[in-house]
Amino acid sequence: KAGVTQTPRYLIKTRGQQVTLSCSPISGHRSVSWYQQTPGQGLQFLFEYFSETQRNKGNFPGRFSGRQFSNSRSEMNVSTLELGDSALYLCASSLRQGTGELFFGEGSRLTVL
Amino acid sequence: GENVEQHPSTLSVQEGDSAVIKCTYSDSASNYFPWYKQELGKGPQLIIDIRSNVGEKKDQRIAVTLNKTAKHFSLHITETQPEDSAVYFCAANPSGYGQNFVFGPGTRLSVLP
Repeated sequence: KAGVTQTPRYLIKTRGQQVTLSCSPISGHRSVSWYQQTPGQGLQFLFEYFSETQRNKGNFPGRFSGRQFSNSRSEMNVSTLELGDSALYLCASSLRQGTGELFFGEGSRLTVL
Repeated sequence: GENVEQHPSTLSVQEGDSAVIKCTYSDSASNYFPWYKQELGKGPQLIIDIRSNVGEKKDQRIAVTLNKTAKHFSLHITETQPEDSAVYFCAANPSGYGQNFVFGPGTRLSVLP
């Protein structure tokens, strides 16, 4: 069974640009969440989606947005990039809504110059 | 909101020795406490978890203990092997439901051969 797939794996952007990251969950998983990982702040929760609806949102500015499609695939978007947005963005999927094991992808590493 | 502290930040042990990592949490509503292992270049992977109605759980060389009264939980790895070298994260679920976990800052474990 294929794991969580994130694309692109690496990308470089400049300040002010926007970026869209994609996540394909494990087949059959309907819940997707996103985390930002940085050396200074660690792993921080961004969003949680289930059945195309955002169920939870972390404490991030409105420049961070996301969505989930009917096939459970998810995208997140960051607009007006800032240097501090440089991070590893991790997507995780799980079989159902609610607390339980998260299956993480390998992440998309974003560098903002 | 929930705050998860984790100690130590780095830990070096000799192969075959035991390793213990400790975490504390602040929100008494948290009821699910997973531990994740992250190897270089990969996403975190669940190694063991515990729910608040259980005091201890063991899976081969790995065990987790939970003290709800003191709001702390610990990871115990026995008979450590070089492949146990990684960064370990504890987490808590502040809402008691959903995937908006709060992660500890991580412990870098090095197992020396």
